[in-house]
Amino acid sequence: DAKTTQPPSMDCAEGRAANLPCNHSTISGNEYVYWYRQIHSQGPQYIIHGLKNNETNEMASLIITEDRKSSTLILPHATLRDTAVYYCIVRNTGTASKLTFGTGTRLQVTL
Amino acid sequence: GAVVSQHPSRVICKSGTSVKIECRSLDFQATTMFWYRQFPKKSLMLMATSNEGSKATYEQGVEKDKFLINHASLTLSTLTVTSAHPEDSSFYICSARSLLRGALTDTQYFGPGTRLTVL
Repeated sequence: DAKTTQPPSMDCAEGRAANLPCNHSTISGNEYVYWYRQIHSQGPQYIIHGLKNNETNEMASLIITEDRKSSTLILPHATLRDTAVYYCIVRNTGTASKLTFGTGTRLQVTL
Repeated sequence: GAVVSQHPSRVICKSGTSVKIECRSLDFQATTMFWYRQFPKKSLMLMATSNEGSKATYEQGVEKDKFLINHASLTLSTLTVTSAHPEDSSFYICSARSLLRGALTDTQYFGPGTRLTVL
């Protein structure tokens, strides 16, 4: 599976949009981009995933560039409860595939 | 989303004892489950992939005789840490793969984790 690069940390003011970038320049055609987050001392929580089209759900939006070499996770109105480590993971959908976690981005939402 | 539970959430044991951790998919069937381990301030490390009705596949460096995995049904996988030592103290997290109705691809959902402390 392709590797990803994320900034180690970011800050965001409560109520503002949090835009978390991810580079995955070696992604291949059958690989999806998945986003998870992990709040302290909890298991990771699935947020969203996509292949090439932009995706939106009740939690976030995922914007994938046309060349698919990077993506951005958008939390439209960040709250203090969104403080967590956010992981961008690229993974194919074969039955033998598995999620490999990098170091992620630690998002700190402040008042 | 799909729900995965783990039990216990926290366990303290003496060195040399064995500890069993259960992972259940509550509202879906999972032919494949995964076990991860996480040390403080570190990322999750995959330990093994558990397939229902067959032997688990362990990642390089993970001792299969120490970390026994049993995936007895489509909703239950167990991890047994045998002869636990203090260095086995960690946060153990399971995950189950689910293909939700209408989805084109499967997604892994994670349990809340089990914190193991070996004295």
